[in-house]
Amino acid sequence: DAGVIQSPRHEVTEMGQEVTLRCKPISGHDYLFWYRQTMMRGLELLIYFNNNVPIDDSGMPEDRFSAKMPNASFSTLKIQPSEPRDSAVYFCASGPQGGQGAWGYTFGSGTRLTVV
Amino acid sequence: AQSVTQPDIHITVSEGASLELRCNYSYGATPYLFWYVQSPGQGLQLLLKYFSGDTLVQGIKGFEAEFKRSQSSFNLRKPSVHWSDAAEYFCAGPGAGSYQLTFGKGTKLSVIP
Repeated sequence: DAGVIQSPRHEVTEMGQEVTLRCKPISGHDYLFWYRQTMMRGLELLIYFNNNVPIDDSGMPEDRFSAKMPNASFSTLKIQPSEPRDSAVYFCASGPQGGQGAWGYTFGSGTRLTVV
Repeated sequence: AQSVTQPDIHITVSEGASLELRCNYSYGATPYLFWYVQSPGQGLQLLLKYFSGDTLVQGIKGFEAEFKRSQSSFNLRKPSVHWSDAAEYFCAGPGAGSYQLTFGKGTKLSVIP
């Protein structure tokens, strides 16, 4: 099992550019989560999906952020246009469906985004 | 609001010494609780989880945690710390929605030889 795979590991972009972060969850996992980690705010849930359907996007900071999950094996988080305050580490995590097993899900290694 | 709190931002221990990292929770009912570890430049790895039953939970890497309802705590312990345990540790509990986690601010552990 390769775990949750995120790409790229590092991204440096200029303010105003579009940024796309990618995530491949663990095969068979039905939940997918996008978190953001900053020094100031810690770990924040941005959005999560169940069976490819967005369930709660209340954590998405503003309309510049969007996330999609076109199929069970792929999700993207897009920021357009990017701003310096978006600089953070973005984590994707996935978990199996239902019951206690769904908790304590598996995190990817993260994408460190720097917007200059 | 339902949450978990980690009162210690940074802890330093000597290699071989015992370790206890604190986590307090504020939930009405007995919550699910978790401890994660994050090594530098890495994602979060689940150390252990508590759902119900035995209040002493064993995890990976020699860690354990004890759920104490009377103290609203779920502290992480290890009897003898290794240099490789230096990392940041996060306590987590249920968030607002199904299978959402809310994390504490983390405790950074430094290990000195």
